[in-house]
Amino acid sequence: RKEVEQDPGPFNVPEGATVAFNCTYSNSASQSFFWYRQDCRKEPKLLMSVYSSGNEDGRFTAQLNRASQYISLLIRDSKLSDSATYLCVVNTDDYKLSFGAGTTVTVRA
Amino acid sequence: EPEVTQTPSHQVTQMGQEVILRCVPISNHLYFYWYRQILGQKVEFLVSFYNNEISEKSEIFDDQFSVERPDGSNFTLKIRSTKLEDSAMYFCASRTDTSQETQYFGPGTRLLVL
Repeated sequence: RKEVEQDPGPFNVPEGATVAFNCTYSNSASQSFFWYRQDCRKEPKLLMSVYSSGNEDGRFTAQLNRASQYISLLIRDSKLSDSATYLCVVNTDDYKLSFGAGTTVTVRA
Repeated sequence: EPEVTQTPSHQVTQMGQEVILRCVPISNHLYFYWYRQILGQKVEFLVSFYNNEISEKSEIFDDQFSVERPDGSNFTLKIRSTKLEDSAMYFCASRTDTSQETQYFGPGTRLLVL
């Protein structure tokens, strides 16, 4: 079983729409959770950390369900600039991040 | 805003040649990492480095790979004898020694082995 699994998409949505997607992780000992964003051929950039209580950063909302071992990301009022690959990332110990393969989102005008 | 830098941005080499990829982590960071991403695939952990020694390494990080922090600013990844399958984007990352575990990534070096 893969450490982190994501729906690859693509999610093709119009501007202004809401889009949401999940990822699951296999290691119940995982400590920290993140969503990174990766644009084509660029480095991953931190979008937001994900906390047990759920957290929001502007148009982005992340949720964590430890019992079911899944993490979600919701994007409200999508902008063209939100088009990217969103990486679900899990930290099991101090030393490495485990990445999902990414969910591709395309926002169209 | 401080950032991780990497050089070169692109490297083309012949199979069997040695390459050294260079990274300058953010100055007050203490944990350093190398990851790679083969085209069309996910980002994979290679190695972590703390207190001048390797903390953890993946199965990918075999005897052909080595890391070094030769001075107070640079962090290097050496591939001794490159193979075709080493072609990938190599990302360096770093983080502070605090409870915040966010890793910040450099722009990457695209390595092509011919």
